[in-house]
Amino acid sequence: NAGVTQTPKFQVLKTGQSMTLQCAQDMNHNSMYWYRQDPGMGLRLIYYSASEGTTDKGEVPNGYNVSRLNKREFSLRLESAAPSQTSVYFCATAQGAGELFFGEGSRLTVL
Amino acid sequence: GNSVTQMEGPVTLSEEAFLTINCTYTATGYPSLFWYVQYPGEGLQLLLKATKADDKGSNKGFEATYRKETTSFHLEKGSVQVSDSAVYFCALKGGGGSYIPTFGRGTSLIVHP
Repeated sequence: NAGVTQTPKFQVLKTGQSMTLQCAQDMNHNSMYWYRQDPGMGLRLIYYSASEGTTDKGEVPNGYNVSRLNKREFSLRLESAAPSQTSVYFCATAQGAGELFFGEGSRLTVL
Repeated sequence: GNSVTQMEGPVTLSEEAFLTINCTYTATGYPSLFWYVQYPGEGLQLLLKATKADDKGSNKGFEATYRKETTSFHLEKGSVQVSDSAVYFCALKGGGGSYIPTFGRGTSLIVHP
């Protein structure tokens, strides 16, 4: 039982390159979330999906797009990476008002 | 909107000391309250939770009580260990019908032998 799986775990990009972070869950949860974590800033919500077929902006959506491909998968895309997007990205899932289950994180560096 | 305020760190303690990390919240309705822990290089994981007023969540020697009258959910442990060194996040979810989680900024705990 893998829980929440994120790929890749590490990535280095040059400014202007694009990439997609993948998240897959086997918990049959309806809700999925993408966060970024920066020193001193805590967790900031980028986008979330309350259920399959819906996505909504969070606190810091600029520069990102998401796709809820099906109930299991929720991807985060950076179309033109900027150094300000250097961060650790976490995917999480939840069912209703229950607790979140997090992936191990994806560490992205943009040069 | 909802908000969570927790004490800033780092909190530095000696092994076997008593730990308190304060957390207060603002929310509509009756949210569920959570403490998550993040060990170095890992994602967050649930430490404990409480879903209604006066509930006490507990796990691994940590405790927190949902106090609606003071809108607080302080984390306590009677005797910390070096292995408890981590970042602790207070969070709420479900207040006012919204299932968007609200997190505090996290408190770093460093325990010395």
